[in-house]
Amino acid sequence: EVQLVESGGGLVKPGGSLRLSCAASGFAFSSYSMNWVRQAPGKGLEWVSSISSSSSYIYYADSVKGRFTISRDNAKNSLYLQMNSLRAEDTAVYYCARDLYCGGDCSQGLFDYWGLGTLVTVSS
Amino acid sequence: DIVMTQSPDSLAVSLGERATINCKSSQSVLYSSNNKNYLAWYQQKPGQPPKLLIYWASTRESGVPDRFSGSGSGTDFTLTISSLQAADVAVYYCQQYYSTPGTFGQGTKVDVK
Repeated sequence: EVQLVESGGGLVKPGGSLRLSCAASGFAFSSYSMNWVRQAPGKGLEWVSSISSSSSYIYYADSVKGRFTISRDNAKNSLYLQMNSLRAEDTAVYYCARDLYCGGDCSQGLFDYWGLGTLVTVSS
Repeated sequence: DIVMTQSPDSLAVSLGERATINCKSSQSVLYSSNNKNYLAWYQQKPGQPPKLLIYWASTRESGVPDRFSGSGSGTDFTLTISSLQAADVAVYYCQQYYSTPGTFGQGTKVDVK
């Protein structure tokens, strides 16, 4: 059974940093592109970042570019999101989401499995 | 970025009746080289993460009931629930994955009348 479990969320002051983790199990993690998608309270979905299976291709939303860094450790079946210079508008539930299998070191931006999410609150 | 616009924002349908949600993209998401529409639909129930229902505009994800169907091409798409069940109460999102960033519609809330 595919499982994605996020951790690392919490309350942080504006300008602060936080590192999110996503532990994956039940599938060949190293073969899949992975993503972070966020949802502000009561709002819609916003793709944040993606990383291909071998980390060759990394993409960011303009809203987080230069502040967030996505990474992965295939030996540990884990995905990460380092978030720096946090702003109030970054407050959201952050979901780890698996990309639909694309057969190589590629990314489709289509999400077939999601974790339960971890809440990040940026407030003074 | 491609803007996705859903209509209506909410709808209430009687149990057993049809529910129809529309999604319009600001530019075509049909890739001519493979004739595929890069359009997906997700269902999100309260307190849960989204669930992939349909991709390539009309391909149902494994395990999704056949009362859910997707149609459309180019810039105009539709999600249809043929016979609404109580378990279908949720917010539904369309998403284009034709170009980065993948963008979502604002969501359509479906309730029982």
